[in-house]
Amino acid sequence: DAGVTQSPTHLIKTRGQQVTLRCSPKSGHDTVSWYQQALGQGPQFIFQYYEEEERQRGNFPDRFSGHQFPNYSSELNVNALLLGDSALYLCASSLVFGGGYTFGSGTRLTVV
Amino acid sequence: AQTVTQSQPEMSVQEAETVTLSCTYDTSESDYYLFWYKQPPSRQMILVIRQEAYKQQNATENRFSVNFQKAAKSFSLKISDSQLGDAAMYFCAYRTDMDSNYQLIWGAGTKLIIKP
Repeated sequence: DAGVTQSPTHLIKTRGQQVTLRCSPKSGHDTVSWYQQALGQGPQFIFQYYEEEERQRGNFPDRFSGHQFPNYSSELNVNALLLGDSALYLCASSLVFGGGYTFGSGTRLTVV
Repeated sequence: AQTVTQSQPEMSVQEAETVTLSCTYDTSESDYYLFWYKQPPSRQMILVIRQEAYKQQNATENRFSVNFQKAAKSFSLKISDSQLGDAAMYFCAYRTDMDSNYQLIWGAGTKLIIKP
């Protein structure tokens, strides 16, 4: 049984560019959450998706957007990249009616 | 707004000894969940233990146990018989589903070093 799969594992982008990160949830899970973890800090909530809609959003600018597909997989898009967007981006899947979260191993984004 | 504070940036313990990691939180809610996650160098967050606020009994999972003090808003993690594989970053996290708030709120983490 596959857990949460995130791709790519690492990537390097230039300031001003756009990036798309991908997440496949654990089998049976229907909800996907995205977190940003800067170096040496705890994760910060970006948003959560359920039934292909944004269910809740954290304190992130509109440059951060997402999408959930009918198969429950999700994408995180970041436009106009800034140096401060360099971080580990974690995806977590869960069931909407409770239970625990399963995390992926993250995507390490470096903006230069 | 809810906050989670981990006041120990780093802790070290001798292998086979016991160590306690501290966590305090601030909330006005009465119904919530508290978690301890482990993040090894592989980066994946792994759930160590979970506590529901309405349960007075402290959660335990094998060598891991918590001391949940609801009135004091304290949630410490005790690791008994420490093993080399316990070395990792440990994060305390909070969640409430009240008012359609589903996010996990995290502390800054504690780096646990195990001395052989």
